[in-house]
Amino acid sequence: TQLLEQSPQFLSIQEGENLTVYCNSSSVFSSLQWYRQEPGEGPVLLVTVVTGGEVKKLKRLTFQFGDARKDSSLHITAAQPGDTGLYLCAGDRGGKLIFGQGTELSVKP
Amino acid sequence: NAGVMQNPRHLVRRRGQEARLRCSPMKGHSHVYWYRQLPEEGLKFMVYLQKENIIDESGMPKERFSAEFPKEGPSILRIQQVVRGDSAAYFCASSPPQPLAYEQYFGPGTRLTVT
Repeated sequence: TQLLEQSPQFLSIQEGENLTVYCNSSSVFSSLQWYRQEPGEGPVLLVTVVTGGEVKKLKRLTFQFGDARKDSSLHITAAQPGDTGLYLCAGDRGGKLIFGQGTELSVKP
Repeated sequence: NAGVMQNPRHLVRRRGQEARLRCSPMKGHSHVYWYRQLPEEGLKFMVYLQKENIIDESGMPKERFSAEFPKEGPSILRIQQVVRGDSAAYFCASSPPQPLAYEQYFGPGTRLTVT
């Protein structure tokens, strides 16, 4: 049973398009993290959201934590080829991070 | 400010040998976590340690796997008598102390191949 469901699993878009990645759970998390991982490397922390309803912006990336702290979304505006990578959401369980299966994003020039 | 360091980056072991993976946390971080990423699978939690203490080892296989974070030196993940199914990428993460322990920063990983 996957505690955190990410969708879509794969996304291939053209440069300049917008996209949204979803991370859903039936469980409440005290915090939720978004990471980006490139092949052969470790995940890089993008953002942490803690408060229900919280919205954080990181340049062209907008992260939202659901009011009930069970779901989150990542929206990328005007995607660029440099955004290509594996995006992972992870929920905190007392220090243990529970990861979604990831969204593989490919942005073509 | 150096990030989380792991070594070796790549490790090849024959079945039955021992594998030792090392992790040095970021400066100022007192919590260390180990995760495993199997081919075509997501990252799975293995163990959470503080200096000289195991806080949560609920994700560790019961046999052959052990982890430590001594008072001095790096954290070590030890796999005894490796089998082919142990082939995976093993990631270490570290975090500040509470209340920011959920902000985990990952190292580059050790890719273990068992032949």
